[in-house]
Amino acid sequence: ILNVEQSPQSLHVQEGDSTNFTCSFPSSNFYALHWYRWETAKSPEALFVMTLNGDEKKKGRISATLNTKEGYSYLYIKGSQPEDSATYLCAYDSGTYKYIFGTGTRLKVLA
Amino acid sequence: DVKVTQSSRYLVKRTGEKVFLECVQDMDHENMFWYRQDPGLGLRLIYFSYDVKMKEKGDIPEGYSVSREKKERFSLILESASTNQTSMYLCASSATGVGYNEQFFGPGTRLTVL
Repeated sequence: ILNVEQSPQSLHVQEGDSTNFTCSFPSSNFYALHWYRWETAKSPEALFVMTLNGDEKKKGRISATLNTKEGYSYLYIKGSQPEDSATYLCAYDSGTYKYIFGTGTRLKVLA
Repeated sequence: DVKVTQSSRYLVKRTGEKVFLECVQDMDHENMFWYRQDPGLGLRLIYFSYDVKMKEKGDIPEGYSVSREKKERFSLILESASTNQTSMYLCASSATGVGYNEQFFGPGTRLTVL
């Protein structure tokens, strides 16, 4: 059974803190790793699609890295703001149209 | 602005009722998906469809069926709702052969079965 794990499950940080979380996934049959941000009462929103080992992607204060050989990806948020509060999901994609999702990391940024 | 819409944000039904959850996408995507989200679990795939009238079971299809009569619309049907089907249901769509299978999600339907 393929498993995708995210850690931590939840965290609270102060406004201005930087934070990071981890997504671990199977290193075999890798096609892509997707990161989503899911704010309460909204649709999950795509952040990054990571495809190549060593990939680094950035969008504003959020960045992500990928290691396909060891099967992990990190998501970093620099200078967290209250509007960053959301659940961050990663999804492992083996190229078959079906994702395997992690359980998510719930981030709460305190003003 | 691309969009996936779901017919209801909140729904309350009684045990044994037949329940329809509707999803519509305006991106001309071939693939559509139904997931459920429960506390402590990742999004789990119930069914997906890769073309009109085509469907495949996901990881947890028991107690559900689906219908895709038109490309833009994918319905999830609970034939006889049970309390263990209380959950958040998310619909998604993606295009075949475009990018890296990026899925676009609707806002979800929170279903409570009493």
